[in-house]
Amino acid sequence: ETGVTQTPRHLVMGMTNKKSLKCEQHLGHNAMYWYKQSAKKPLELMFVYSLEERVENNSVPSRFSPECPNSSHLFLHLHTLQPEDSALYLCASSQDGPLVANPHGTQYFGPGTRLTVL
Amino acid sequence: KQEVTQIPAALSVPEGENLVLNCSFTDSAIYNLQWFRQDPGKGLTSLLLIQSSQREQTSGRLNASLDKSSGRSTLYIAASQPGDSATYLCAVRQGGSEKLVFGKGTKLTVNP
Repeated sequence: ETGVTQTPRHLVMGMTNKKSLKCEQHLGHNAMYWYKQSAKKPLELMFVYSLEERVENNSVPSRFSPECPNSSHLFLHLHTLQPEDSALYLCASSQDGPLVANPHGTQYFGPGTRLTVL
Repeated sequence: KQEVTQIPAALSVPEGENLVLNCSFTDSAIYNLQWFRQDPGKGLTSLLLIQSSQREQTSGRLNASLDKSSGRSTLYIAASQPGDSATYLCAVRQGGSEKLVFGKGTKLTVNP
């Protein structure tokens, strides 16, 4: 158990559907992240939240909408996705946030949600 | 823009062999470098984290080195085992950012 859980583990959706991915961390961390892992591409950072505030948005299309209601939960709301959005979506958390002058900590990853857009 | 490259993309070795995975990065202004392991269809597990001021870190049969000035890191795995089979990812943390920049990974297969 990594301390970071993600649901669902697998999701198939049509382009007109609306769905949400959920991430929960049980580690008492301050920062949470969404990553996208596509086939044959490096892992890409999508969003960073620190103390429930979005601190980084890595030029992600608006059809992806993150939400962080508290420091333990992170959601990724999906609507009108494209087939090229099919990927493994990974959530991570870390102790550090942007208020820390010299962050040294590691990020802990969840198992991911395998998303297929038809 | 930081770019991380991992060579080779795939590696197959017999059990018991010592091996080296390579990682290079273009911008030396990093906080740290991290090696992760990813099993098929699963998330990432952190193996070793090297701060920018450090030269190497060791954990069991794993040893990671960092040469920040030349933009290189290596992950040495001693006496490889079939259970080591996985994809190994290298990532650097940029200075002043939460962002980790990843390489595409090296897929390792250790044959019994």
